Amino acid sequence: AQKITQTQPGMFVQEKEAVTLDCTYDTSDQSYGLFWYKQPSSGEMIFLIYQGSYDEQNATEGRYSLNFQKARKSANLVISASQLGDSAMYFCAMREGGGNTGKLIFGQGTTLQVKP
Amino acid sequence: DGGITQSPKYLFRKEGQNVTLSCEQNLNHDAMYWYRQDPGQGLRLIYYSQIVNDFQKGDIAEGYSVSREKKESFPLTVTSAQKNPTAFYLCASTPSGFYGYTFGSGTRLTVV
Repeated sequence: AQKITQTQPGMFVQEKEAVTLDCTYDTSDQSYGLFWYKQPSSGEMIFLIYQGSYDEQNATEGRYSLNFQKARKSANLVISASQLGDSAMYFCAMREGGGNTGKLIFGQGTTLQVKP
Repeated sequence: DGGITQSPKYLFRKEGQNVTLSCEQNLNHDAMYWYRQDPGQGLRLIYYSQIVNDFQKGDIAEGYSVSREKKESFPLTVTSAQKNPTAFYLCASTPSGFYGYTFGSGTRLTVV
């Protein structure tokens, strides 16, 4: 069965430094998608970045990049130049299967706190 | 602007009552989903629907019911059979194909 594992319940980072949030996944599907979402204390889910299983290059979106290591089944999120507003919970998620199945499976999340 | 609207933002339920959470989208998305989030935890799938008049159970469907009579609407009813309904409920939608999800702002349900 598909599974997402985030092993870091909480992380601290100094403002302006980079931080890596870990995510490993388990799937037998060849076609899948990996997502990272940010959830501030307000509860909304903010989409950050997406990596398809067939994408050869690591995805990047502004200060966010995804370190995709397919053989190791890891999809770590790297946030560069951390800002106080980055303090939130971060979720790694995997889209199960291809086509129109559409179900997202979430990890347990990592709470990131940025220190001034 | 297109998006997903969830209402109410906060909801209080007495023991033994059914309550319905609203989810409306104007994105013309085919698929809609309901997730439950407990404090400090990830999201778990309750129900999802890929087309009008059709829906499937997710991982934790017991004690919940849904309907999909219109493409724009996917209400969730938390029935009295759900023994521990206090949680944060998030609705999401996605177009068909391999795309990301749009989430609503959530409904926080508390049993009193």
